[in-house]
Amino acid sequence: QPALTQPASVSGSPGQSITFSCTGTSSDVGGYNYVSWYQQHPGKAPKLMIYDVSSRPSGVSNRFSGSKSGNTASLTISGLQAEDEADYYCISYTSGSTYVFGTGTTVTVL
Amino acid sequence: HVQLVESGGGVVQPGGSLRLSCAASGFTLSDYDIHWVRQAPGKGLEWVAFIRYDGSNKYYADSVKGRFTISRDNSKNTLYLQMNSLRAEDTAVYFCAKRYYVGAFDIWGQGTMVTVSS
Repeated sequence: QPALTQPASVSGSPGQSITFSCTGTSSDVGGYNYVSWYQQHPGKAPKLMIYDVSSRPSGVSNRFSGSKSGNTASLTISGLQAEDEADYYCISYTSGSTYVFGTGTTVTVL
Repeated sequence: HVQLVESGGGVVQPGGSLRLSCAASGFTLSDYDIHWVRQAPGKGLEWVAFIRYDGSNKYYADSVKGRFTISRDNSKNTLYLQMNSLRAEDTAVYFCAKRYYVGAFDIWGQGTMVTVSS
C-alpha cells in the first residue's frame, strides 16, 4: 500500500492560515471517512489533531480543521502560531482493513 | 495516569529476532484495539499492525506480513510485537498506540528503538 501523498513542506507567517493536502485513492481516502491527522514535534510521539476527516478531539485548538473532497483530504491551520511548527501526517483506513500514513508535511512558521 | 510504555528494543543482526512489549497503565488494555507504528530515523510514520481488543483479528502492513506477529495478554495488560527475519529497513522507533476512533490513536507510548545492523 503506497503512502498517501502530502506536500513536503508548507510555510506561513504568524496569524495566517495554511492548508495542505493528503492525496490517496478510492481504496483509502476516497472510500472512507476515516482520515486522521497527527502533529509531531521533533523527538516526540505524534499527537492526534483531527479524526473522522473533520472531528477534533477534546483539547485540540479549534484553529485546526479538516475536510475531504474525493480522494484528497486537507488540514487547515488558522491563526498560525509558532508552536504549530511541526511535522504533520495524515492516515487513512484502507479497503484491506489496514491503514496507510501520508508522506508527511513540515510546517514552518516564518 | 493513562499511558503506554514500550520496551524490548535494541540492536540485532539481520535475520535475527526481537520481541517488543507495550504495557498499559491507567486503563484496561482489553477494552481497546492497539496499533504498532514505526518511524525510521529521519523518516515518516509507517503503520505496522493492529490487534482487536479481544485478539480476534490481526492485521499487518505488507512490509512486515509473515515476519511480524502481534499478540496480547490482557491478563497482564500487555501487548507484544514478535519480529522475526529482521532486515536493515526495519530499523526504526516503534510506537504502540491506543485506538480512539478508526485510524485515530489518542494515547501513544514514548517509543522503543530497534536497530538492525551487523
